[in-house]
Parts: sequence; C-alpha cells; structure tokens
Amino acid sequence: DQQVKQNSPSLSVQEGRISILNCDYTNSMFDYFLWYKKYPAEGPTFLISISSIKDKNEDGRFTVFLNKSAKHLSLHIVPSQPGDSAVYFCAVTGNQFYFGTGTSLTVIP
Amino acid sequence: DAGITQSPRHKVTETGTPVTLRCHQTENHRYMYWYRQDPGHGLRLIHYSYGVKDTDKGEVSDGYSVSRSKTEDFLLTLESATSSQTSVYFCAISVWWGPSYGYTFGSGTRLTVV
Repeated sequence: DQQVKQNSPSLSVQEGRISILNCDYTNSMFDYFLWYKKYPAEGPTFLISISSIKDKNEDGRFTVFLNKSAKHLSLHIVPSQPGDSAVYFCAVTGNQFYFGTGTSLTVIP
Repeated sequence: DAGITQSPRHKVTETGTPVTLRCHQTENHRYMYWYRQDPGHGLRLIHYSYGVKDTDKGEVSDGYSVSRSKTEDFLLTLESATSSQTSVYFCAISVWWGPSYGYTFGSGTRLTVV
C-alpha cells in the first residue's frame, strides 16, 4: 500500500505566483517529513524538512506546512521562478523512508 | 557534495543478459540504498545495506541482487535483465542531520533493456 501520495502528477504556475505542492500520508507514527527536488538527469536533492513537533518550517522562498490531524504536508514556493521547474518528491520517515510519486512543477516565464 | 558516484551513467543491454551497476561513496557511510524511479511510481527501494556484507530487501527486490564487500562500494546486479527493469536507478546514502536523517543521492544510472 502507498504510504505517501502526491495526487497531482503535474502543476503549472506563472512566474512570480505561488506554487503549492501537496502530499498525504497514511501513518500517524511518521515523525519527520522532507521535500526533495529533482532536475532531469540528476539525482534528487534535499530541499526542506519538518519534524512532527512543528507545523511550519521556512527557508527563504520555501515553506513546508504540516497538518498532523489531516496527515497532510504541503510545500509553498513564493515567488515561483523558472528555475524551480523540476519534479518534487515528498518523503516521510519513521523506521523506514517512504517517497511520494512526485509532482512535476513547471514555472512559466 | 556527499561524494557518491554511480557508474555507468547510461547503459543499454539486451533482455536476458546480466547487468551490474556500481555505487561508490567516499565518506565511509554505513547505510547505502538502491532505488529505481519510474513514472507514476516515484522512488521505490530495491535493496539496502547496513554494513559490509549486510544487506536486506526493499519493496521491489525481485530480479535484483546486491553485494557490499567494501564500505565504499554497493553493487546492484540484474541477474537476467527484462524490459520491466528499464528505469533510472539511484544510489543513496543516509546522512544524520539531527533530529533525523535524510538521504543524499547519486546522479543516477539510466538503464534501457531492449
């Protein structure tokens, strides 16, 4: 069974606007949540994370929100830039690491 | 940079042939992983290693074997390649960031089985 779901395979956003990427998970025991970014022909790279004791973590243009009651994680990118165009994977950890299926973000200049 | 090198970067092979992919790390990390990335499936764990000669299966291990004879090298072998194993393969190491750990990935190997 899929432990982590990203229900939007793709997302297009105008440059300068907000991008919101979503992720749902199934197990309330997960205690750490991460977002990875992947460009074509490269490996995924770590972007931002949040622990289960927080509900928000911010790093420059990137903010991750955690709603534990809804088992929902989101990544906000403000303002979006063309260089943000990539595939974004959410990941959750407990005893194991689980990745979502990815959302391909396209930022239109 | 975590010093993870995957080789080869690209490989085309015929159905039924054995193929070995190599992951090399330079930082003495204990845990190493092999993932495959496929559209609609994200990243799925094939095998992982928690030390020299210590390995275990992941979610999609059928048709794959691994070996780790040295800390720095983790090999993934497709014993008899099939078209369903056409994919992009990523090696990863786990890095402790406190209060949890995350993965650092290699650049990937694109494998095509014809």
